[in-house]
Amino acid sequence: GESVGLHLPTLSVQEGDNSIINCAYSNSASDYFIWYKQESGKGPQFIIDIRSNMDKRQGQRVTVLLNKTVKHLSLQIAATQPGDSAVYFCAENNRDDKIIFGKGTRLHILP
Amino acid sequence: NAGVTQTPKFRVLKTGQSMTLLCAQDMNHEYMYWYRQDPGMGLRLIHYSVGEGTTAKGEVPDGYNVSRLKKQNFLLGLESAAPSQTSVYFCASSDTGGQIYGYTFGSGTRLTVV
Repeated sequence: GESVGLHLPTLSVQEGDNSIINCAYSNSASDYFIWYKQESGKGPQFIIDIRSNMDKRQGQRVTVLLNKTVKHLSLQIAATQPGDSAVYFCAENNRDDKIIFGKGTRLHILP
Repeated sequence: NAGVTQTPKFRVLKTGQSMTLLCAQDMNHEYMYWYRQDPGMGLRLIHYSVGEGTTAKGEVPDGYNVSRLKKQNFLLGLESAAPSQTSVYFCASSDTGGQIYGYTFGSGTRLTVV
């Protein structure tokens, strides 16, 4: 069946370094991908999205890369800050009215 | 503009009790969703609605019922709560079925069934 998974459940990064969170997806029909950030005690929050006709999209301090050949998605966070500590989810939509979420990666910032 | 509001924020139930979780959105969104989030399981879809008066089953619908009598509200009911329903419940909404900017989520309801 369809699945959206993450390579690492926990990622520890030094403050000020760049963070890279990876995600693998299995449904080649998916054409829209989203990254969410969930802070402790809060609901998931939209960070950035990308469509399948693109391979890179940049936001403020964040970049999403899409490699359709190997069905891989990544989120890069530049100059990681303490406020970036959270669980990050990738999600996919395959022209359906439902989004499929991955299990999440916890980003831990080291002082 | 409040976005998606969930009530209550916390609740403790005894096994066999019933309750209703309320989700309200003020963005005039057509689509609304109920998810549960358990440690290590990510977000799992319980039920969803593609418009007023419609409901559909998601991945884990058993033990839950929903109603969408008004466009802005989506209610999740537990008729006879079980300890396995201890979870954090999130409501979400979208005007495009998640195909533009994904979903807007509420802040969650933490439910404990003892």
